[in-house]
Amino acid sequence: AQKVTQAQTEISVVEKEDVTLDCVYETRDTTYYLFWYKQPPSGELVFLIRRNSFDEQNEISGRYSWNFQKSTSSFNFTITASQVVDSAVYFCALSEAPGYRGANSKLTFGKGITLSVRP
Amino acid sequence: EAQVTQNPRYLITVTGKKLTVTCSQNMNHEYMSWYRQDPGLGLRQIYYSMNVEVTDKGDVPEGYKVSRKEKRNFPLILESPSPNQTSLYFCASTSGPGKPDSGNTIYFGEGSWLTVV
Repeated sequence: AQKVTQAQTEISVVEKEDVTLDCVYETRDTTYYLFWYKQPPSGELVFLIRRNSFDEQNEISGRYSWNFQKSTSSFNFTITASQVVDSAVYFCALSEAPGYRGANSKLTFGKGITLSVRP
Repeated sequence: EAQVTQNPRYLITVTGKKLTVTCSQNMNHEYMSWYRQDPGLGLRQIYYSMNVEVTDKGDVPEGYKVSRKEKRNFPLILESPSPNQTSLYFCASTSGPGKPDSGNTIYFGEGSWLTVV
C-alpha cells in the first residue's frame, strides 16, 4: 500500500526565512509520480510540481526548490526567502504510474503542513 | 481552458436530505475521481471512475454513491447525509491509465464545502 508521511504539522517562520517541508513516501511500485500542492485559505488546490520516479534531478522554480532522493524515499520542498503569501497548507502526494490499464490513478496524500509566514 | 467544475461550491444541509454534488470536465478525460478533505487527515479518495459506466470504490466510500453516464460528468450523491460527511470535497480528472505518458496531469475542481447539520 502507498503511504505519504508529512511529519511536520505546523511551521511558523518570519518573512524572508528559508523553510523546508519534509515528505517521506512508501510504495512498492517502481514507477510512480510525486506531487506537491498548495492550498491557500480559499481552499483550492494549487499544483506546484510533479516528479516521476525516474527523474531524480532536483528542480528549482523561482523561490521554490525540490529535492527528490529515491534512496531515502523523500521529496522535500524548500521555500527560499519566504513571503506572507506563502502561508498555506502544503500537501505532498503520490500516485501510481498511469501506464497500464486497470490502475487507479489515485493520489495518496500526506496530512498536510500548515505554513504560517509572519511579517 | 481546461476545467473541472464543481457545484455547489458551498452548501449547508440537514441530516437525511439527499443531495448531489456535480462535477464536469471539458478535457475528454476518461478518469475521474472524488476526494474528501478533513482536518488532520489530508485528502482521501471516495470513488473513482475509469470510464463511462465504470466506477469503483476508493478508500472511504461509505455513505456515497456515484454515477458515470457521460464521460464529462461524475456526480457525487449523498443519499442520506450525516454530520460526519461534513467536509471539503474535490473532484479530479486525468487522462488516466493506459494512455501514453501525458505526464499524468491531474486537474482538480475548486472544491465544495459541505456542512451537514
